Amino acid sequence: DTGVSQNPRHKITKRGQNVTFRCDPISEHNRLYWYRQTLGQGPEFLTYFQNEAQLEKSRLLSDRFSAERPKGSFSTLEIQRTEQGDSAMYLCASTPGQSYNEQFFGPGTRLTVL
Amino acid sequence: AQKVTQAQTEISVVEKEDVTLDCVYETRDTTYYLFWYKQPPSGELVFLIRRNSFDEQNEISGRYSWNFQKSTSSFNFTITASQVVDSAVYFCALTPGGYNKLIFGAGTRLAVHP
Repeated sequence: DTGVSQNPRHKITKRGQNVTFRCDPISEHNRLYWYRQTLGQGPEFLTYFQNEAQLEKSRLLSDRFSAERPKGSFSTLEIQRTEQGDSAMYLCASTPGQSYNEQFFGPGTRLTVL
Repeated sequence: AQKVTQAQTEISVVEKEDVTLDCVYETRDTTYYLFWYKQPPSGELVFLIRRNSFDEQNEISGRYSWNFQKSTSSFNFTITASQVVDSAVYFCALTPGGYNKLIFGAGTRLAVHP
């Protein structure tokens, strides 16, 4: 049973560039979450999917951010026109069934915006 | 407001000492779930325990134990006879009933020295 995988693990980009991250959840998990973690803080919720439907988005998710989960399998998170404040670890998690179940986290993608 | 507070930013102990990590939560929901996660230096969040609001029974798992007290809105985590491998950042998290996300505290960094 493979866990949640995320690619790339590290991304360095220049301000103003677009970046896209990928998350592959555990295969039978229908719920997929994106969180953002900055240094010294706990993860903050960004958005979640149930199958292919994006059911909730945080106010943290500005219009420069977009997430998709085509066919209810892998998910992508795109940030357009990156800013230095976007520098953070982006975490993906998945879970079967209900929201109160344990969430299984991936290793994260560390974004550095220069 | 839904909130988790981990007042201890960093704790440093010597191996074999017992250590307690504090967690205080706020929610108006009567149904909610509490979690502890461990984030080792590798960065991947590892699930430790889940508790629902109707189960105040304390739990012990090996060297780990958890004390849930609704009267003080606390869900504290104790490591007995700490080991160097316990060095990590520990996060307490809350999922209020009907929510679809984890609300994390800021984390407590535990350093266990030989």
